[in-house]
Amino acid sequence: DSGVTQTPKHLITATGQRVTLRCSPRSGDLSVYWYQQSLDQGLQFLIQYYNGEERAKGNILERFSAQQFPDLHSELNLSSLELGDSALYFCASSVGITNTDTQYFGPGTRLTVL
Amino acid sequence: QKEVEQDPGPLSVPEGAIVSLNCTYSNSAFQYFMWYRQYSRKGPELLMYTYSSGNKEDGRFTAQVDKSSKYISLFIRDSQPSDSATYLCALNAGGTSYGKLTFGQGTILTVHP
Repeated sequence: DSGVTQTPKHLITATGQRVTLRCSPRSGDLSVYWYQQSLDQGLQFLIQYYNGEERAKGNILERFSAQQFPDLHSELNLSSLELGDSALYFCASSVGITNTDTQYFGPGTRLTVL
Repeated sequence: QKEVEQDPGPLSVPEGAIVSLNCTYSNSAFQYFMWYRQYSRKGPELLMYTYSSGNKEDGRFTAQVDKSSKYISLFIRDSQPSDSATYLCALNAGGTSYGKLTFGQGTILTVHP
């Protein structure tokens, strides 16, 4: 168990809908990362927050948005969902902000868009 | 062309074999290199971390980086059935990339008794 928690574990929804994925980092970790894992694209970095501020961004779609709250938990919002958004979404956390800080991954949220 | 190329396998080996997993990359900005292991239905976990060309050993695992060839490897000695998992290389460019990791596709490894 990495200490990172993600809810829900599974989510099934329809095209055009909006969902929110939630992540609680390990105690003491200030950085939160979101990744998307699909069979065709592999594991892709979406976004990083550090202590509430956005720090690094990947190829995150405009339909997706994230934030990190004062208590350091984070939410990833996915809107106008398409079939291709079906994937595993991982949250990771680390103590600091740099590349040398180990990222600990949560168990993931499996999103199925029908 | 993807920034990081990794043979997805699958790779099947007998217990005790030496396993070699590899990634190549095209962007010379990558300076930090990691290997993650992902068991089925779990999140990835960090195995090895290196930031310079050369070898780094940790128990049965050895990570090798050749920046001139843009080639990284992970060797597993005396492989065990518990090593059966997907292995992902991950690269970071440092600086303002902060923690952004670029992953390879992952290699599925099965070690059979």
